[in-house]
Amino acid sequence: AQKITQTQPGMFVQEKEAVTLDCTYDTSDPSYGLFWYKQPSSGEMIFLIYQGSYDQQNATEGRYSLNFQKARKSANLVISASQLGDSAMYFCAMRYNAGGTSYGKLTFGQGTILTVHP
Amino acid sequence: GAGVSQSPSNKVTEKGKDVELRCDPISGHTALYWYRQSLGQGLEFLIYFQGNSAPDKSGLPSDRFSAERTGGSVSTLTIQRTQQEDSAVYLCASSLSPGQDAYEQYFGPGTRLTVT
Repeated sequence: AQKITQTQPGMFVQEKEAVTLDCTYDTSDPSYGLFWYKQPSSGEMIFLIYQGSYDQQNATEGRYSLNFQKARKSANLVISASQLGDSAMYFCAMRYNAGGTSYGKLTFGQGTILTVHP
Repeated sequence: GAGVSQSPSNKVTEKGKDVELRCDPISGHTALYWYRQSLGQGLEFLIYFQGNSAPDKSGLPSDRFSAERTGGSVSTLTIQRTQQEDSAVYLCASSLSPGQDAYEQYFGPGTRLTVT
C-alpha cells in the first residue's frame, strides 16, 4: 500500500526567503506520480507541481520546484522567494496505480501548515 | 472555463437523516473522484468513477455511503442515516484521464457536512 509522510506539522518562513516542505513516500510500484497541492484558508485545493517516477529531471513551476530523490523516496517542495499569499496548508500526494491500470486516485500526506511572516 | 462545482457548499443535518452531495465536474473530464477531509483522518479517497462506472469503491467507509454518476458527468454522493463521525468536508475532483502521467486532478470547493 502507498503511504505518504509529511513530518512537519507547521513551518514558518520570512517573506522573500526560500522554504522546503518535506515529503517522503513508500510504494512498491515502479510507476507512480507525486503531486503537491496548496489549500488556502478558503478550502480550495490548488495543484502546484507534478513529478513522475520516471522523470529524469526535477519538476519546476515558477517559484515551485520539487526536489525528487528517488533512492531516498523523498519529494520535497521548495518554494523560493516566499510571499505572504503562500501562507496555506500544503499537501503532498501520490497517484495510486493498481497493477497495470492507473486509477489515478491520490493518497495524501497529513499536510504542512506554512506561515509566511512579513 | 468553468471549474468543478459542488453543492451545497454547507449542509447541516440531524443524525439519522439522509443527505445528497452533488458534484459537477469539468466538461470532458472522464475521471471523477470523491474525497473526504476531516480533522482526525486527513484527506481520504472514497470512490472513483470512470465514465458512469465505479471501478474503485474501496474508500467508502460503510454501506451507508453510495455514489452514482450519470451521463458521464454529474455525480451524487449519498450518505444514509448520517452519524456524527460523517461530519467532514467532502471534496470532488475530476481529471482528463487517470492513465496519463501528468493529468492533475482539479478539485471543487467542497461541501462542508455537519451532523448534529
